Amino acid sequence: DAGVIQSPRHEVTEMGQEVTLRCKPISGHNSLFWYRQTMMRGLELLIYFNNNVPIDDSGMPEDRFSAKMPNASFSTLKIQPSEPRDSAVYFCASSPILTANTEAFFGQGTRLTVV
Amino acid sequence: AQSVTQLDSQVPVFEEAPVELRCNYSSSVSVYLFWYVQYPNQGLQLLLKYLSGSTLVKGINGFEAEFNKSQTSFHLRKPSVHISDTAEYFCAVAYNNNDMRFGAGTRLTVKP
Repeated sequence: DAGVIQSPRHEVTEMGQEVTLRCKPISGHNSLFWYRQTMMRGLELLIYFNNNVPIDDSGMPEDRFSAKMPNASFSTLKIQPSEPRDSAVYFCASSPILTANTEAFFGQGTRLTVV
Repeated sequence: AQSVTQLDSQVPVFEEAPVELRCNYSSSVSVYLFWYVQYPNQGLQLLLKYLSGSTLVKGINGFEAEFNKSQTSFHLRKPSVHISDTAEYFCAVAYNNNDMRFGAGTRLTVKP
């Protein structure tokens, strides 16, 4: 199993541009999570899906952020327009089932730099 | 409010020395507890987890953690660390509503 695959690994963009981060969860996993990691705020849960349906997006910082999961094997996190304060490492994680006692499997992350 | 506190942001130790990384949580309900490790430029990997039963949990790479309900703690320990253990370690707490909270992380640096 290749694990959770995120692309790109690094993204540098100019302020105001649209950024799309991509994630392929582990095959057979029903839950998918998007996290953001910064020095100041640590690891924050942005949104999570169960069976492709968004369950909780209360962690999404602003309307500039949106996430979709059109099918069980693909999800995107979009920022439009991007701002320098969005610079962070964004992680996607998946889990076999959505229960509190099941761990998440993380991708390697996308390092986003907005200049 | 539900929260996770990792008491040390950085822990430097010498190789082969024992180490303890501290984690406390606040909750009035049952929780599930996890420790993850993050190596440079990598995602988080599960080290170990406590769901129920024995309060001493053994994980990968020789790490173990002890759940202490009265002190609401879940400290991570290793009796003898290696250079390769240098990484960031995250304590996480999951609640029955599927809300998982991560601590701020502890950077363990093992020196030769």
